Amino acid sequence: AQTVTQSQPEMSVQEAETVTLSCTYDTSESDYYLFWYKQPPSRQMILVIRQEAYKQQNATENRFSVNFQKAAKSFSLKISDSQLGDAAMYFCACLENGNKLVFGAGTILRVKS
Amino acid sequence: DAGVTQSPTHLIKTRGQQVTLRCSPKSGHDTVSWYQQALGQGPQFIFQYYEEEERQRGNFPDRFSGHQFPNYSSELNVNALLLGDSALYLCASSLGDSPYEQYFGPGTRLTVT
Repeated sequence: AQTVTQSQPEMSVQEAETVTLSCTYDTSESDYYLFWYKQPPSRQMILVIRQEAYKQQNATENRFSVNFQKAAKSFSLKISDSQLGDAAMYFCACLENGNKLVFGAGTILRVKS
Repeated sequence: DAGVTQSPTHLIKTRGQQVTLRCSPKSGHDTVSWYQQALGQGPQFIFQYYEEEERQRGNFPDRFSGHQFPNYSSELNVNALLLGDSALYLCASSLGDSPYEQYFGPGTRLTVT
């Protein structure tokens, strides 16, 4: 079974600064997808960014980018120019068996003004 | 285009009772997955429905059951509620051949007293 580990329970960043959230995973599958989801206090789980394992190029979505290290099974999220609206719980997840999302425990991101 | 909707928003039940939660998928989606998110933790996969059949199941007891209707909406039923069933229940929808695009609903907060 896949496991996803987020070793940072909580992170803080100053507004307009850059922060990196860490994630490691373990899977026996050769092809898989990795995700970062954002869950604000409203509870809605929002997809931030997705990475396909067979693509070597790191995914980017505006201020959000990932550092995907396949050999190390590492998948970190970088948020540039942090905004107050970025404050939320962030979950790293891996798609298992093509259907089931396996989530990490989450990292609370606090943005200071 | 309506996204994923869930009802009710909040629910309070007594230990031993039964509960039914409902989910309507995003327009055009035919697959529904259910997740349980305990307070302060990442979501855990309960099961997935596709073409009105349970396609995959996570490590949850038989007290958790589900159903998918011809219009692709879904229900999650939990019997003999335990205090430990208190959680946020999330529904996610996707298209059968695109499991890497799962859209989440706002969740139902279940409290068991």
